[in-house]
Amino acid sequence: DAGVIQSPRHEVTEMGQEVTLRCKPISGHDYLFWYRQTMMRGLELLIYFNNNVPIDDSGMPEDRFSAKMPNASFSTLKIQPSEPRDSAVYFCASSLKNADTQYFGPGTRLTVL
Amino acid sequence: AQTVTQSQPEMSVQEAETVTLSCTYDTSESDYYLFWYKQPPSRQMILVIRQEAYKQQNATENRFSVNFQKAAKSFSLKISDSQLGDAAMYFCAYRSELGPLRNRDDKIIFGKGTRLHILP
Repeated sequence: DAGVIQSPRHEVTEMGQEVTLRCKPISGHDYLFWYRQTMMRGLELLIYFNNNVPIDDSGMPEDRFSAKMPNASFSTLKIQPSEPRDSAVYFCASSLKNADTQYFGPGTRLTVL
Repeated sequence: AQTVTQSQPEMSVQEAETVTLSCTYDTSESDYYLFWYKQPPSRQMILVIRQEAYKQQNATENRFSVNFQKAAKSFSLKISDSQLGDAAMYFCAYRSELGPLRNRDDKIIFGKGTRLHILP
């Protein structure tokens, strides 16, 4: 298996623009997680899905952030409009239904100018 | 709510030596999982080792082993024969065994991390 795939690996955009991050989980994994990592706040869970259904989005910073999982093999995290404080590394991770080990993607480094 | 504390923001160890990274956690649950993740400069989060709380035997993975003290709520990571490739940020993490139930907190809780430097 190729592991969790994220795209793009790097994204540079200007304040006010829409940003879409993409994730393909490991095939067969029922759980998908979106994290944000910054120096100041460390690793934060934004939202997670179980069988494509959002279970907990309490970590989503504000309404500018939204996440979808239209099918078992694809998820997006969208920021609209983006702000400089959104600059961070965004990770996607997936896990099996009955296992607790999360497998992380390589991350997307987002820079908002 | 559960918390995970890594009290050592940074550590250094000489190549080929042994180093121990500390982690403590707070929980009222009896069944849970503990993890150590490694994040090298490439930024990817890599699972190093996992421990089920109901197992008394400490988990080991090659040069990596843990000292799990359930009563003390301590979960330290020992790296033997340190190698340059071990240089990374190490995160301790906790997850409830309550699992995939709505209204239950089955999220992984991460510590702030310990940055490990390997000295040649």
